[in-house]
Amino acid sequence: AQTVTQSQPEMSVQEAETVTLSCTYDTSESDYYLFWYKQPPSRQMILVIRQEAYKQQNATENRFSVNFQKAAKSFSLKISDSQLGDAAMYFCAYRSAQGAQKLVFGQGTRLTINP
Amino acid sequence: EAGVTQSPTHLIKTRGQQATLRCSPISGHTSVYWYQQALGLGLQFLLWYDEGEERNRGNFPPRFSGRQFPNYSSELNVNALELEDSALYLCASSLAPTLEQYFGPGTRLTVT
Repeated sequence: AQTVTQSQPEMSVQEAETVTLSCTYDTSESDYYLFWYKQPPSRQMILVIRQEAYKQQNATENRFSVNFQKAAKSFSLKISDSQLGDAAMYFCAYRSAQGAQKLVFGQGTRLTINP
Repeated sequence: EAGVTQSPTHLIKTRGQQATLRCSPISGHTSVYWYQQALGLGLQFLLWYDEGEERNRGNFPPRFSGRQFPNYSSELNVNALELEDSALYLCASSLAPTLEQYFGPGTRLTVT
C-alpha cells in the first residue's frame, strides 16, 4: 500500500518570503501522480499543483512550484512571495495511475503567514 | 461554472441513528469520491463511484454505503452511527477517473 508522509506538522513564514513544505511517499509503482492541496479555514480543499511521475520537469503554477525527486520519493512544495491568503493546511497526496483512483493523503502541514 | 456542492453543511445525529449526506458533482463530471476527515486520523478514502457503479471502497465497515444517481449526484449513508463517525465528510468529483479531483466544502457530521 502507498503511504504519504509530511514530517512538518506546522510551518511559519514571513509575508513575501519563501517557504518549502516537505513530503515523502512510498510506493512500488512506477506510474503515478502527486498533488498538493490547500485547505483554508473555510475547509474547502483546493488543488494547488499536480505532478506526473513520468515527467522529469518540475511543475509550476505561478508562485507555487515543486521539487520532485522520483528516486528519493520526495515531493516538496515551494511557495514564493508568501501572501496572507496562503495561510492554510497543506496536504500532499498520491494517486496511482491505474486501478483504484483514490487519493492517499499525508497528515498535513499547517502554514502560518506572519505579516 | 458551479463547483462541487454538498448538503447539508452541518448534521447532528444521535448514536445509533442513520445519516444521509449528499453531493452534486461539477457539471459533466462522472466520477464521485467520498473522503472522511476525522480529527487525528487525517483524510481517509471512503468510496468511489463512476458511471453509477461503486468502483472502490476504503477500509470502512459496511454500515458506510452510498450510491450514485443517473445525474451523477451521489449520496453517502452511514447507518448505526457511532461517536467516532463524527468528522468532516468531503466529496470530490472528476471529469474522468484519471483526471484531477475537485472537492466540495464538506458536511460536518457530529454524533452525540
